[in-house]
Amino acid sequence: GNSVTQMEGPVTLSEEAFLTINCTYTATGYPSLFWYVQYPGEGLQLLLKATKADDKGSNKGFEATYRKETTSFHLEKGSVQVSDSAVYFCALNDMNYGGSQGNLIFGKGTKLSVKP
Amino acid sequence: KAGVTQTPRYLIKTRGQQVTLSCSPISGHRSVSWYQQTPGQGLQFLFEYFSETQRNKGNFPGRFSGRQFSNSRSEMNVSTLELGDSALYLCASSLASAGGTDTQYFGPGTRLTVL
Repeated sequence: GNSVTQMEGPVTLSEEAFLTINCTYTATGYPSLFWYVQYPGEGLQLLLKATKADDKGSNKGFEATYRKETTSFHLEKGSVQVSDSAVYFCALNDMNYGGSQGNLIFGKGTKLSVKP
Repeated sequence: KAGVTQTPRYLIKTRGQQVTLSCSPISGHRSVSWYQQTPGQGLQFLFEYFSETQRNKGNFPGRFSGRQFSNSRSEMNVSTLELGDSALYLCASSLASAGGTDTQYFGPGTRLTVL
């Protein structure tokens, strides 16, 4: 079945460092791909998404490109801030599930801590 | 536009009891999905409702059930609670536009603790 694999961390960086969180997926068909972020004590917030191959999603300085050839959707940010400390989840939309809108399949999450 | 709201935010129950959680989707959204988040299993899909009908169901026992009302609000129920049901329960809503894959927007979750 469809699945998502992401580096589990935790990842600890200094402020202004470069961030990469790797995400690879297994899927039949052409799922949409998402990055969600979860701050302590909160639900999930959509960070960015891409719906087809070679699409680049971007938001708040974060970027990820849908790479079908490598089945990857790595999250990057050029200069992290303390406020970026959170757990990041990579997800795909499982369109094979019953022909409906599909449920999200999530990776295990990567905890990012940014130190001043 | 108001986001997805969930009530209550926190619940403490004892084994064997039952619980009902509520979710109000973003105005105009017709699909509501529920997920369970635990440290061990991560985020797992429970079920999805659209137009008061369950369209999708994850791999959870029958103790977990839900429903959706005509105004798209949804409730989930867990009967005969077990310790392992302690989790953050997240609700997500989407437009469910025809032929498309819509983004799911999440509420803040209900933290259920089973003692």
